[in-house]
Amino acid sequence: EAGVAQSPRYKIIEKRQSVAFWCNPISGHATLYWYQQILGQGPKLLIQFQNNGVVDDSQLPKDRFSAERLKGVDSTLKIQPAKLEDSAVYLCASSKLAGEREQFFGPGTRLTVL
Amino acid sequence: GESVGLHLPTLSVQEGDNSIINCAYSNSASDYFIWYKQESGKGPQFIIDIRSNMDKRQGQRVTVLLNKTVKHLSLQIAATQPGDSAVYFCAEKKAAGNKLTFGGGTRVLVKP
Repeated sequence: EAGVAQSPRYKIIEKRQSVAFWCNPISGHATLYWYQQILGQGPKLLIQFQNNGVVDDSQLPKDRFSAERLKGVDSTLKIQPAKLEDSAVYLCASSKLAGEREQFFGPGTRLTVL
Repeated sequence: GESVGLHLPTLSVQEGDNSIINCAYSNSASDYFIWYKQESGKGPQFIIDIRSNMDKRQGQRVTVLLNKTVKHLSLQIAATQPGDSAVYFCAEKKAAGNKLTFGGGTRVLVKP
């Protein structure tokens, strides 16, 4: 079974630029999560999708971050414009159902904002 | 691979010894507590979980202990191996809602 795929693996941009991350979850997983992991900290949930609908985006900085999962499969997370404090690893995870304790994580995209 | 964190609490353990990783939690409304392992350059990987009405749960080479009186969670790894070197995170799942809340991590370094 293929795992969660993410691209790119690394991205370096200057502040005020835009960036997008892509995630393809495990086949058949209805729930998709985006996390932000700042160096030295645990992952923090940004947004959770159930199929193509948003379940929880309470911690998503909506003035600059957006995410979509139009067909209920793969997803894109965008930052526009980026700030220095957005430097982090962005992790995508999926699970078969919402509320599962076992989530399957991708390798992440490491973003550096200069 | 990239480093998960530079200033994490670190546990150094000799190969073959047992490891104990601790986690304090503050939310009494959590119904599950979960341990994840994150190797360098990879995403976190589920290890084991425990329901809040239990005190102990065992898996393969791992045991999780929950002390609700002092709000303390621990992960014990038996006969620690080089492949156990990673950052370990505890997480909570609240009774209401689907979100996992991760705590700070502990880096485990296994010495040969």
